Amino acid sequence: TQLLEQSPQFLSIQEGENLTVYCNSSSVFSSLQWYRQEPGEGPVLLVTVVTGGEVKKLKRLTFQFGDARKDSSLHITAAQPGDTGLYLCAGSSSNTGKLIFGQGTTLQVKP
Amino acid sequence: EAEVAQSPRYKITEKSQAVAFWCDPISGHATLYWYRQILGQGPELLVQFQDESVVDDSQLPKDRFSAERLKGVDSTLKIQPAELGDSAMYLCASTRGRGNTGELFFGEGSRLTVL
Repeated sequence: TQLLEQSPQFLSIQEGENLTVYCNSSSVFSSLQWYRQEPGEGPVLLVTVVTGGEVKKLKRLTFQFGDARKDSSLHITAAQPGDTGLYLCAGSSSNTGKLIFGQGTTLQVKP
Repeated sequence: EAEVAQSPRYKITEKSQAVAFWCDPISGHATLYWYRQILGQGPELLVQFQDESVVDDSQLPKDRFSAERLKGVDSTLKIQPAELGDSAMYLCASTRGRGNTGELFFGEGSRLTVL
């Protein structure tokens, strides 16, 4: 069974702090997506990475795809209360073509 | 802006009752997904349609769950009979392409509570 493991599962920080969320697997993915979900809403896509070693920036968010395309990270600089939510990684398997979601990281940013 | 529409938004039912959820994807989107999500966890795929055909229902509990997308547009997910463990958010998503690499557009979900 292919798994995407996210860590940490929960994160509570103060406004202005930096944080990193990890998404790891033993499987290779052809692409990896990061979504953010607010309470009572569906997930919304933040970014898609497709090339090993790729780095993408979205304002204060930096996304990296591992060289071997088995892992990814999301780094948030100077977190704000508006960043609060559930962050999900989702990988498209190179072998099966299936899209697999990680368990999610719940982020709470306190003012 | 086009959105994925889901209804009902909330459903409370008693165990052993039947429940149905409806999803209307973004127009022109070929692939439609139904996911189940426990609060604070990642979505788990129940069924994936490409046009009107099921392409993956390996995780769908077929003894009680059924899904259809008869004309390749909107879709219905049914649970009969509902069990306490079915309490969750049921998310519908669609994507334009026929693979699993494009952006998924999610609806707001249908939250089910089984008493």
